[in-house]
Amino acid sequence: SQTIHQWPATLVQPVGSPLSLECTVEGTSNPNLYWYRQAAGRGLQLLFYSVGIGQISSEVPQNLSASRPQDRQFILSSKKLLLSDSGFYLCAWSLYAAEKLFFGSGTQLSVL
Amino acid sequence: AQSVTQPDIHITVSEGASLELRCNYSYGATPYLFWYVQSPGQGLQLLLKYFSGDTLVQGIKGFEAEFKRSQSSFNLRKPSVHWSDAAEYFCAVAYNYGQNFVFGPGTRLSVLP
Repeated sequence: SQTIHQWPATLVQPVGSPLSLECTVEGTSNPNLYWYRQAAGRGLQLLFYSVGIGQISSEVPQNLSASRPQDRQFILSSKKLLLSDSGFYLCAWSLYAAEKLFFGSGTQLSVL
Repeated sequence: AQSVTQPDIHITVSEGASLELRCNYSYGATPYLFWYVQSPGQGLQLLLKYFSGDTLVQGIKGFEAEFKRSQSSFNLRKPSVHWSDAAEYFCAVAYNYGQNFVFGPGTRLSVLP
């Protein structure tokens, strides 16, 4: 069966520090991968999606970046975190276009 | 641009009462529509989805939703709410041949005993 792993679960980082959140999917090949951010009391904002290795599409311009070095690995990064980067980050995958999303358990990021 | 609205930020119902959560979308073509539920501090779980065919779709946990093209709506319903249904509910639309999902802002459901 397919599973998605996302870590760390919680992270507290100072302003200006770098960020690396990792997401891996097991049990499937060539998934569509997504990074979402959920600010407190708000809905989900799509940050990045990827349909294959090295293929990254950005939905919102910001100081975050994403990479897909392997088929089932999706990394969210930042060189310098801002206070506004605080939020709940969710990784998700789908196997086929318009198929349902499977979400990871999320990372609560607090930038202080 | 594609958008999803959920007019109700917070709804409170008594256990055993019926529930309807509203969702409206803006999308030019036939949409793929979803409802997800999120418990505090957790990821999202799919309740149900609509791609085509019967406009009334059944989901897990006794939920159902009806697609109304004329109203651009996809409202979620449950005839009798249980205390365990208290959570955040998100409506979503998939576009760009399904590669992108747009989520509504969510509706928080509280259930009174």
